[in-house]
Amino acid sequence: NAGVTQTPKFQVLKTGQSMTLQCAQDMNHNSMYWYRQDPGMGLRLIYYSASEGTTDKGEVPNGYNVSRLNKREFSLRLESAAPSQTSVYFCASSENKGATYEQYFGPGTRLTVT
Amino acid sequence: QKEVEQNSGPLSVPEGAIASLNCTYSDRGSQSFFWYRQYSGKSPELIMSIYSNGDKEDGRFTAQLNKASQYVSLLIRDSQPSDSATYLCAVNPPSYKLIFGAGTRLAVHP
Repeated sequence: NAGVTQTPKFQVLKTGQSMTLQCAQDMNHNSMYWYRQDPGMGLRLIYYSASEGTTDKGEVPNGYNVSRLNKREFSLRLESAAPSQTSVYFCASSENKGATYEQYFGPGTRLTVT
Repeated sequence: QKEVEQNSGPLSVPEGAIASLNCTYSDRGSQSFFWYRQYSGKSPELIMSIYSNGDKEDGRFTAQLNKASQYVSLLIRDSQPSDSATYLCAVNPPSYKLIFGAGTRLAVHP
């Protein structure tokens, strides 16, 4: 039982390049989330998927797209990377059943855009 | 006004003391409250959940919730150097999302 996994762990991109961050969970959770974390800014929600087949914008969606591929997998795509997207990206999942909204995080992806 | 507010710290406590971390939130409809611990360079780790007013204890950790005052706290008894980390408060308004505070950095010195 690996929990939430993310690939890659590290990535360096040049401005304008594209890439997809992958996330998978093996806890049979309904909801999945993408956050970015910058120094002094805390965790900011980029996009989330409340259930398989749905996606919604979070606080900072500009420059990103997401795909909920199936119940296990939720990917984040940067179409044209910008230096402002240099950050640590975390994926999380949650059962979201009844009153249970605990989120469990993956190990993160450190992205640098030059 | 930020939705979830925490003192950024650092909060410095001696080993063996009680560390007290505080959090206030703005949405009165919030139902669930969480504390996460994040070591430098690592991902947030859930350490406590609390859903009703009062205290909830788990080992050296006690979470306290006061919905009338919109206030959540985390007490760490017998603090150890290994407790040195950033502690994130998270609040669930009536939605699928959590709203995170910016975190309080705790430093426990021998």
